[in-house]
Amino acid sequence: DTGVSQDPRHKITKRGQNVTFRCDPISEHNRLYWYRQTLGQGPEFLTYFQNEAQLEKSRLLSDRFSAERPKGSFSTLEIQRTEQGDSAMYLCASSSFASEQFFGPGTRLTVL
Amino acid sequence: KQEVTQIPAALSVPEGENLVLNCSFTDSAIYNLQWFRQDPGKGLTSLLLIQSSQREQTSGRLNASLDKSSGRSTLYIAASQPGDSATYLCAVTGGATNKLIFGTGTLLAVQP
Repeated sequence: DTGVSQDPRHKITKRGQNVTFRCDPISEHNRLYWYRQTLGQGPEFLTYFQNEAQLEKSRLLSDRFSAERPKGSFSTLEIQRTEQGDSAMYLCASSSFASEQFFGPGTRLTVL
Repeated sequence: KQEVTQIPAALSVPEGENLVLNCSFTDSAIYNLQWFRQDPGKGLTSLLLIQSSQREQTSGRLNASLDKSSGRSTLYIAASQPGDSATYLCAVTGGATNKLIFGTGTLLAVQP
């Protein structure tokens, strides 16, 4: 399968715990995006990487959130001290230069 | 600030009917427009990408049009089938990072 993959698909955690999600983009894509989607809403942009450089972060990405893309390959999104408001679907997408974005299956986070 | 609106929010049609989904955006300075399909609890599947210089794109029973000057796009689905039932999302890109800005989607139900 050469599509975008995300792991885990589902994560249930208790409030205050840290969680980390992984995204593996399509191999030849240098652009990687993270989005967050809550029930009944369209996805909202969180952050963008071009190769290994994080070039844009949304105001939605509070200090508790951090993202990395070492060596311009896979990316991780970490949420520290989770809150119930962090419960959402976290989506990763990749693209080559300014072209169609392809999405992974998402990670569903539930914070109890 | 770019805002994307989709009308209607929900639509129910009998099988075989042709239908049109609408998308409008407030800032015409977009790079491209993308239509997605999302099944419940799943990630996004890209349906069509229209670049800003294009007027329409077709894929099978789907046809998407773009009128940048009026800030509108339509997705036409011909001969609808129950398998077309899903949420359809419209998104526009712009700016240096080409991040997607989404509407809230149209929930389509095709009745057999």
